[in-house]
Amino acid sequence: GAVVSQHPSWVICKSGTSVKIECRSLDFQATTMFWYRQFPKQSLMLMATSNEGSKATYEQGVEKDKFLINHASLTLSTLTVTSAHPEDSSFYICSATGSRAANTGELFFGEGSRLTVL
Amino acid sequence: AQSVTQLGSHVSVSEGALVLLRCNYSSSVPPYLFWYVQYPNQGLQLLLKYTTGATLVKGINGFEAEFKKSETSFHLTKPSAHMSDAAEYFCAVSEGYSTLTFGKGTMLLVSP
Repeated sequence: GAVVSQHPSWVICKSGTSVKIECRSLDFQATTMFWYRQFPKQSLMLMATSNEGSKATYEQGVEKDKFLINHASLTLSTLTVTSAHPEDSSFYICSATGSRAANTGELFFGEGSRLTVL
Repeated sequence: AQSVTQLGSHVSVSEGALVLLRCNYSSSVPPYLFWYVQYPNQGLQLLLKYTTGATLVKGINGFEAEFKKSETSFHLTKPSAHMSDAAEYFCAVSEGYSTLTFGKGTMLLVSP
């Protein structure tokens, strides 16, 4: 149980275009979803936290107009990188927690999405 | 505030040797502790977790970790390394209903 699926796994886009990444909890209701960014050979950097039906909470230094997060349902959150530039190229990972694990902080991770902006 | 320190950004072992990845944490309340593994270009997979109860926790792929409150440690071990264990390992701490805080990760390299 507690499977999180992320799509697409790889995406290449041209500079100036927007890219949407989806994160779905397949077998549980994700009350909270998190989006991380990971640079090569580094740890995960939390970008934002989103609760279903409310606006995402962004970490300091993360541009909310650049990285649009929507959590419209208990099983789906999306991250849209708007007007992407080469410096946005990175590995983006989503994670989710449901009511049964929320009290421990345990997270269930998607497979990650590799974004390359040309 | 909670924090995690992973000693050693890289650990190299020979196949069949003991694996020891170190993790120390800081928490103002009894913590929940996790080890995740990340293979190249993949998300994180939970290896094991400590929430309450037995302080020696067994996880997948033969890994285990022991919660030592007096040492504020949660080191990850495996008696005999396999080539397939080569990956990045992240220790993480939570104080419950809070954001998980990750360490910087330790890359495990396994040589034949």
